[in-house]
Amino acid sequence: VQLVESGGGLVQPGGSLRLSCTGSEFMFDSFWMSWVRQAPGKGLEWVANIKQEGFETQYMDSVKGRFMISRDNAKDSMFLQMDDLRVEDTGVYYCARDRVYSSGWYEDYWGQGILVTVSS
Amino acid sequence: SYELTQPPSVSVSPGQTARITCSGHKLGDKYVSWYQQRAGQSPLLVIFLDSKRPSEIPDRFSASNSGGTATLTISGTQPVDEADYYCQTWDSNIGVFGTGTKVTVL
Repeated sequence: VQLVESGGGLVQPGGSLRLSCTGSEFMFDSFWMSWVRQAPGKGLEWVANIKQEGFETQYMDSVKGRFMISRDNAKDSMFLQMDDLRVEDTGVYYCARDRVYSSGWYEDYWGQGILVTVSS
Repeated sequence: SYELTQPPSVSVSPGQTARITCSGHKLGDKYVSWYQQRAGQSPLLVIFLDSKRPSEIPDRFSASNSGGTATLTISGTQPVDEADYYCQTWDSNIGVFGTGTKVTVL
């Protein structure tokens, strides 16, 4: 299983950025997928996830209305469109594969992460 | 919103047992997973569904979850186990991570 993120960089407050995650060595369209972020020197923070076919999504409160998660299973890819970015959105963004069992969820594989810096 | 609380740090001597707690309201009614994050690396799943270990994780890692507290135990701790550890659960279909615990092997 491999997950590779791309699209990070430096953006000014209020700006936009689109992250991509490409998966390989597994059936991408069979899994929920998540984005998790980590501010510099801080802990992990779950951001959003998306169901296999892409019609069901969930977000943490502070990004609702600003971020949109999507996927293109034909390209084994997931995306995070981030608009109206704030300084507090700065951090490393990880793509992760979700496993779902009854009411239990967890992330069993993670990408290497991509840095997003929001600063003027 | 749901919160998970962990001690900021745990120190352990090589070969001894480290225990990391994770506290949350009625946490025992939810499934908990644990992640190890070594410095400069991505998180690694070490425990899922309260107490199950991925095949590549050494059996010195074990865990339990009951009442309001989940516990990750590292038996015979090795220097390579020095890392940050995070618990995780899900509440109303939203992922929640614990505050994280830095394990130092002295």
